[in-house]
Amino acid sequence: GNSVTQMEGPVTLSEEAFLTINCTYTATGYPSLFWYVQYPGEGLQLLLKATKADDKGSNKGFEATYRKETTSFHLEKGSVQVSDSAVYFCALCVVNTDKLIFGTGTRLQVFP
Amino acid sequence: DAGVIQSPRHEVTEMGQEVTLRCKPISGHNSLFWYRQTMMRGLELLIYFNNNVPIDDSGMPEDRFSAKMPNASFSTLKIQPSEPRDSAVYFCASSTGVSTSYEQYFGPGTRLTVT
Repeated sequence: GNSVTQMEGPVTLSEEAFLTINCTYTATGYPSLFWYVQYPGEGLQLLLKATKADDKGSNKGFEATYRKETTSFHLEKGSVQVSDSAVYFCALCVVNTDKLIFGTGTRLQVFP
Repeated sequence: DAGVIQSPRHEVTEMGQEVTLRCKPISGHNSLFWYRQTMMRGLELLIYFNNNVPIDDSGMPEDRFSAKMPNASFSTLKIQPSEPRDSAVYFCASSTGVSTSYEQYFGPGTRLTVT
């Protein structure tokens, strides 16, 4: 089956710290992979995506690389800001559909 | 563009009452998705439509839930009768079509509380 596993939060960091949020997946075929972000009181927004193995998605200083050999898509940022505080969701798109399977989400809290 | 529009933003109702949630997708988008978000179960896909036709409703919890998309610019999710365990945030999302790389655009959600 298709599933996404994320590290549990909350992740608590000081401003300018390095961020890693782990994500691994199980899927049939080679799905596209996504990171979505949810700010308080809002819906999810696409942060970045990768559609094939070894692709690197990047946006707003965040990066994630599609690793087929480890079935992973870890999210990284070199220097987090207070404004990055949000819940981050890893997701995959089931092959031959536009159905997304989401992980449980990881809450990030960044303090000044 | 106004984005995905959902109404109401908040709904409080008593157990047994009918609840109808509404969604207007982004103009030109061909796919529409209904999700439910709770602390216990996370984000769950309930149903999705492509060109107004339901494609996958395997996530709909039970017969109390129904969804319709009478035209390309409007969809409803109805719960009848509602129960306290239906309390959640319900999101609607839309995308441009069937593809593994298309972005889904989410609405702000409807927070439903059933007492």
